[in-house]
Amino acid sequence: NAGVTQTPKFQVLKTGQSMTLQCAQDMNHNSMYWYRQDPGMGLRLIYYSASEGTTDKGEVPNGYNVSRLNKREFSLRLESAAPSQTSVYFCASSLSGTYSNQPQHFGDGTRLSIL
Amino acid sequence: QKEVEQNSGPLSVPEGAIASLNCTYSDRGSQSFFWYRQYSGKSPELIMSIYSNGDKEDGRFTAQLNKASQYVSLLIRDSQPSDSATYLCAVSGGYQKVTFGTGTKLQVIP
Repeated sequence: NAGVTQTPKFQVLKTGQSMTLQCAQDMNHNSMYWYRQDPGMGLRLIYYSASEGTTDKGEVPNGYNVSRLNKREFSLRLESAAPSQTSVYFCASSLSGTYSNQPQHFGDGTRLSIL
Repeated sequence: QKEVEQNSGPLSVPEGAIASLNCTYSDRGSQSFFWYRQYSGKSPELIMSIYSNGDKEDGRFTAQLNKASQYVSLLIRDSQPSDSATYLCAVSGGYQKVTFGTGTKLQVIP
């Protein structure tokens, strides 16, 4: 009964380093999402994948790339980390395909600090 | 104007009282509405979904939707200290467009 699993849970990087955040869901959901959450800013959508094989930019995509590896997995990559990318990152999934009329289910988050 | 607005709070209510959380949205075409609860340091957890005008009850929680006035609310009856959290309103406008409010922090005082 895992739901949405994110790894790692915590990470500290130096400016300029790269890393990939992993996300996997076992609910056979079609859509997957990456958000960042900063104090006072709420959840902001970075990228989403409406279905396997498709990805689209969200509200704050700069500095990030994503890969929808298969229906279960959706990864987020920081190519050259910057201190402004210090945040809590959440992956979410939804049964919705094209139309987002179903709720999203969230992973536990990755707390990322960039020094 | 933000697309989804919530009072940041904190909203303080005594234990056993009714907590009323409100959310307004700007997109008249919005069709799906969700309430999430987020404890400090944790991820958002779905509480309620509501799709049509009126009230929807689930245990101590009631979601109310008024599309004409563009607001959705969440009532928590018999509030408990364990209900202390931040409550996020999310509104879906159709094609992969779900917008979250910044949340209302609720404090239930024993």
